[in-house]
This record gives sequence, structure tokens and C-alpha cells, in this order.
Amino acid sequence: ETGVTQSPTHLIKTRGQQVTLRCSSQSGHNTVSWYQQALGQGPQFIFQYYREEENGRGNFPPRFSGLQFPNYSSELNVNALELDDSALYLCASTLGQGAYEQYFGPGTRLTVT
Amino acid sequence: GENVEQHPSTLSVQEGDSAVIKCTYSDSASNYFPWYKQELGKRPQLIIDIRSNVGEKKDQRIAVTLNKTAKHFSLHITETQPEDSAVYFCAAPNRDDKIIFGKGTRLHILP
Repeated sequence: ETGVTQSPTHLIKTRGQQVTLRCSSQSGHNTVSWYQQALGQGPQFIFQYYREEENGRGNFPPRFSGLQFPNYSSELNVNALELDDSALYLCASTLGQGAYEQYFGPGTRLTVT
Repeated sequence: GENVEQHPSTLSVQEGDSAVIKCTYSDSASNYFPWYKQELGKRPQLIIDIRSNVGEKKDQRIAVTLNKTAKHFSLHITETQPEDSAVYFCAAPNRDDKIIFGKGTRLHILP
């Protein structure tokens, strides 16, 4: 198993609510990427954080936002939840700029009703 | 574009036979090609990767081949075993150097 952890493991929210998901990166890794994985699909890139700054974003609306903290842990925030936001949210940490190898956390399963 | 196309979407092979999964990518500048295995309810795990300066890499029963001219790369699993049953994803960096995934191949190993 990787050293990447995520919390919570499961979450149920109602449409219109807001949610915060958390990720602790592997020791020494300063880059965290977030992915959304719908059922039966591949992970879709949401955004990446490097040294507390957003460092690239996929095709997701502004209601998906994030933070990275000085210890390189990260949060994903989603506002105004929609039914289609139901998915497995994965974070992956990387050693740093110029490194590609990603190590995934176990994910947070979000269900929006 | 930043597409990574993967096929087949489903693959069934007899235990002991070989399995091959293929991916194509669109960005000719891509230089890193990982393969991930995801078992049901678990996280994707990196099983093998290749960089653009080599054409093939092997690790026991798993190998990856890369054809940069054609912009495609393949995963080969030999002597398949029941524990190889999973969903496999290929990936490649896009023009912004962010890792983009294919849609996955569900591999079934038949007894």
C-alpha cells in the first residue's frame, strides 16, 4: 500500500450541499493531484497542487476548488453538489516537479442524493 | 488534444494464456506511459511504466512496449492467473504534463 491516505472513506450528501474531502500525501511528496472516477470509467483529472499553488486544472467547473497546506496535505471542496458528482474521488501524490510516478490514496466514495 | 484511447474495453482470456491491452495517445511530446491495475473497490496501483527513451520494459510476467512513431503503447501479461482479473488503465501526460487516463479495460481470467 502507498503512504497516501484520504478521509472520509464514504460520504452521503444531498444535492446543493457542499463537501470537503481530505488527502495526506506520501512522505516527501510535494505534489498532489485530484481525480474523479465515475462508475466504470477511468479517473478524470480535476486539478493539481504543487507547493500550495494550483498547478493545472482539468475540465471541471469552478465549484470544484482545492487547497494545499504547508505539510503538502490537500483538500478538495465541491460546492452546490449535483447528482452527477457522485463518484470515487482519488488523490495521488508525486515526488515533485519533473516526476511522473503517482501513488494513489484509497479514495472517498461520494454519493449525492 | 489530450486523448488517451484504450482498447478493448473488456477482455476475457483463458488462464495461462496471454493478454494484450493497447493504448494510443495524441500528444507527440508525451514521454511517460504508466499502466495501473485497479481491483474492485481498491485504489489504482502502478504496475509498470515506460519512458520514451526505451521501446520495451519487462517485469516478470508483465511487459510494456512503446511505438513513439505510431503513438501507441501496449501492456502484455503472459501466463495469466486468476489474480490478474481487474481493470487496467493506461495513462500519458498531456501538453500541460498532467497524467490523463484511458477509460480502462476489464480483464477476466477464465478458469
